[in-house]
Amino acid sequence: GQNIDQPTEMTATEGAIVQINCTYQTSGFNGLFWYQQHAGEAPTFLSYNVLDGLEEKGRFSSFLSRSKGYSYLLLKELQMKDSASYLCAVFPGGATNKLIFGTGTLLAVQP
Amino acid sequence: DSGVTQTPKHLITATGQRVTLRCSPRSGDLSVYWYQQSLDQGLQFLIQYYNGEERAKGNILERFSAQQFPDLHSELNLSSLELGDSALYFCASSPSGTSGGIYNEQFFGPGTRLTVL
Repeated sequence: GQNIDQPTEMTATEGAIVQINCTYQTSGFNGLFWYQQHAGEAPTFLSYNVLDGLEEKGRFSSFLSRSKGYSYLLLKELQMKDSASYLCAVFPGGATNKLIFGTGTLLAVQP
Repeated sequence: DSGVTQTPKHLITATGQRVTLRCSPRSGDLSVYWYQQSLDQGLQFLIQYYNGEERAKGNILERFSAQQFPDLHSELNLSSLELGDSALYFCASSPSGTSGGIYNEQFFGPGTRLTVL
C-alpha cells in the first residue's frame, strides 16, 4: 500500500526554526514534493526532492533520505504568515501516475 | 495567482442533485488533475487528464465523471449527490503528462467549495 505520515499539528514561535517531518512507504519512489496550504486556499508548491540531500530555497529547505523513506521541511526565521498546513506528497512513479499526499501538518506560529 | 481558474467558487445544492465544476489550466499546461479535500481527510486524488485523454485514476466514485475538452479546459461532474460529498474540490495543472519531475509541479486553482444540504 501507499502510506505517508506527518505530524498533525505543530506550534512554533515567531523568529524560530521548525522542522516538519514526513515518512513514507510507497510502492516506488520518483520524487517528493512539499506544498503549503493556507486555510481555505489552494496548495502552493514549495520544494521538490528526488536525490538524497538538502535543497535550500531562501528561508525554506527540504531534506530527503531515500533509504530511510524520510523527508523534512525546515522553516527558518518563522513569520506569522507561515501559519499554514504543510503537505508532503510522494510520486511513486511506475504504472500509477499520481501524487500521494499526506494529510498535512498544521503549523501555528505564535508571537 | 497560479493561473488556474475554477468556477464556481461556491456551490450549494441538495442531496440527489447533479453539479458541474469547471477548470481552465494554466496557459500551455496539458495535464489537468482533480482533487477532493474534506475536513477530516487530506487531499484525495480523483482523476487526471492529459491532452484530452484520461491518464490516471484515483479513488473516484462511479457517480463522478470528468472530461477534458479540445481547448484543454476540464469539467468534473458530480451526480446523485450525498451529504458526504461536501468538500473543497481543487483542480491543478502541469505542463506534462507525468506527475513527477522537477519542472512538473502542479499548480492549483482556488477551488470550488461544494455544500450538499
